[in-house]
Amino acid sequence: GAVVSQHPSRVICKSGTSVKIECRSLDFQATTMFWYRQFPKKSLMLMATSNEGSKATYEQGVEKDKFLINHASLTLSTLTVTSAHPEDSSFYICSARSGRGSYNEQFFGPGTRLTVL
Amino acid sequence: DAKTTQPTSMDCAEGRAANLPCNHSTISGNEYVYWYRQIHSQGPQYIIHGLKNNETNEMASLIITEDRKSSTLILPHATLRDTAVYYCIVRPLNTDKLIFGTGTRLQVFP
Repeated sequence: GAVVSQHPSRVICKSGTSVKIECRSLDFQATTMFWYRQFPKKSLMLMATSNEGSKATYEQGVEKDKFLINHASLTLSTLTVTSAHPEDSSFYICSARSGRGSYNEQFFGPGTRLTVL
Repeated sequence: DAKTTQPTSMDCAEGRAANLPCNHSTISGNEYVYWYRQIHSQGPQYIIHGLKNNETNEMASLIITEDRKSSTLILPHATLRDTAVYYCIVRPLNTDKLIFGTGTRLQVFP
């Protein structure tokens, strides 16, 4: 299957700082990328959908000014957690898919574990 | 969005078939059923998907009932590495989004 990478895999930061997480599709062009967060022992929660070259669409309850998403190319999307606080500590996972329609499955990255002190 | 219901947890002996059920009684006629799994602290892994017909690939088989209100994921010969949370997801018609439910935690034991 297609490969999606995330960087960094783990990050620890101080409260009030901003953290950028990168998501890359390594062997295919991703027209759409998705960002999820997952708390311990919980399921994945979709945060936003981003299409290359356009603004991200955020799910209800997700603060767009806090979680900045940029999808500048067909192989790269970034999630920036601005002014991070301890409650933002979570496992952040991206996924990517190419093409349109129900035929194309999403491929997930390995996740980034964010810890805010 | 069609909702799915899965058992919270299941056990399976190594080498035996693991049959994971999923109920999706409100599924619409052209919504696909997807299965993903997530091994601890990793991103989800695609397993299989289907619309009406049964599907098989190198990882698993997907059996969808004729009325499409339920499905079963079959891992024919479970190994310890198949221990994971398995998610059954119905893909909404007019969106690319995958909405994850609580999934089934499958424990394969020696």
